[in-house]
Amino acid sequence: QKEVEQDPGPLSVPEGAIVSLNCTYSNSAFQYFMWYRQYSRKGPELLMYTYSSGNKEDGRFTAQVDKSSKYISLFIRDSQPSDSATYLCASVTGGGNKLTFGTGTQLKVEL
Amino acid sequence: GAVVSQHPSWVICKSGTSVKIECRSLDFQATTMFWYRQFPKQSLMLMATSNEGSKATYEQGVEKDKFLINHASLTLSTLTVTSAHPEDSSFYICSAPRAGTALTGELFFGEGSRLTVL
Repeated sequence: QKEVEQDPGPLSVPEGAIVSLNCTYSNSAFQYFMWYRQYSRKGPELLMYTYSSGNKEDGRFTAQVDKSSKYISLFIRDSQPSDSATYLCASVTGGGNKLTFGTGTQLKVEL
Repeated sequence: GAVVSQHPSWVICKSGTSVKIECRSLDFQATTMFWYRQFPKQSLMLMATSNEGSKATYEQGVEKDKFLINHASLTLSTLTVTSAHPEDSSFYICSAPRAGTALTGELFFGEGSRLTVL
């Protein structure tokens, strides 16, 4: 079993839709949770960062962590074609930067 | 602008040759850098941790004699794929935590280097 599981998609939605991206993890020692966005043939860029259970909002993006169920979510409101990318969830234990990534979900927002 | 620069972006080489990829942190010092490999439609797999002034730490299953890592300065780490073979063809990405960041896991990634071995 992978430590971080993520549906690879692809996920195709119309412009303006609400997108829900999800990951589950198995390592109880994970304390920090990130979402990275990766455009085709580019390096990932940090999108959202959360530490505790609950929601964190940044513009059209909301990251949600439920440590009791080991579930991580990213919601994108009013999705735009420019949101088309691969979204990777990642987790790390405290005290280090060795991230464990999910496989990434490929998202396509269509006009 | 990019805070981590990688070069080259693309490289094609013949089987048996060696290829060097550079990773530079721009406007900040990085005592630690991470090298990842990503196959198509797969996740980033950590290969090794590059440490300035000491030997790199390799993940299980990664051949240290094949993937030579040198952290020459506080802003430069290099990955050399020695005696490359077609199965080494992949997307190699480096990353670095910004010095002084309080956020564990806040990494800045390079643009990646796509290696194709013929």
